Amino acid sequence: KAGVTQTPRYLIKTRGQQVTLSCSPISGHRSVSWYQQTPGQGLQFLFEYFSETQRNKGNFPGRFSGRQFSNSRSEMNVSTLELGDSALYLCASSLPSGKSTDTQYFGPGTRLTVL
Amino acid sequence: AQKITQTQPGMFVQEKEAVTLDCTYDTSDPSYGLFWYKQPSSGEMIFLIYQGSYDQQNATEGRYSLNFQKARKSANLVISASQLGDSAMYFCAMRENTGNQFYFGTGTSLTVIP
Repeated sequence: KAGVTQTPRYLIKTRGQQVTLSCSPISGHRSVSWYQQTPGQGLQFLFEYFSETQRNKGNFPGRFSGRQFSNSRSEMNVSTLELGDSALYLCASSLPSGKSTDTQYFGPGTRLTVL
Repeated sequence: AQKITQTQPGMFVQEKEAVTLDCTYDTSDPSYGLFWYKQPSSGEMIFLIYQGSYDQQNATEGRYSLNFQKARKSANLVISASQLGDSAMYFCAMRENTGNQFYFGTGTSLTVIP
């Protein structure tokens, strides 16, 4: 079974631009979560989508948004990029069964650099 | 309060030796899951091992075992017979039954010395 895929793997943008990252979950997984990872802040939860609905949201400004499609693929968008948005963006998928046993499986990440 | 605490920012271990990475957690939910992930320098988070709050025995997966002490709310990862390829960041995480969010610790950087 194929793992979580993320595209693109690397991205360079300039301040003020916007960017869209894509995530395809493991087949059969319906929940997709996004995380931002930086050396200073560590791993921070952005949001989770399940059945095309945002179910949980982290403490990020409205410039960060996402969506999920009927095939469970998810995109996240960052508008008006700032230098501080440079980070590794990780996507994770899970079934979920609604139990604490649900394991999240991660993709390889998209490394975004904002100049 | 932090949901997951990893107090060891960096650890060193000699090749072929065992190492324990510490993790404590905080929850009032009686049903929860505990997870460990490995993140090599490539960036991808790799799932290693899972322990359920109601599991009577400590989880094991190959060279990985989880030392689960429920009363102390600790879930330490033990890596036996360390290999050079074990050098990576290790994250402890928890998922409560009442919510859908994963909580991650700040990670421990493990370096295996030849």
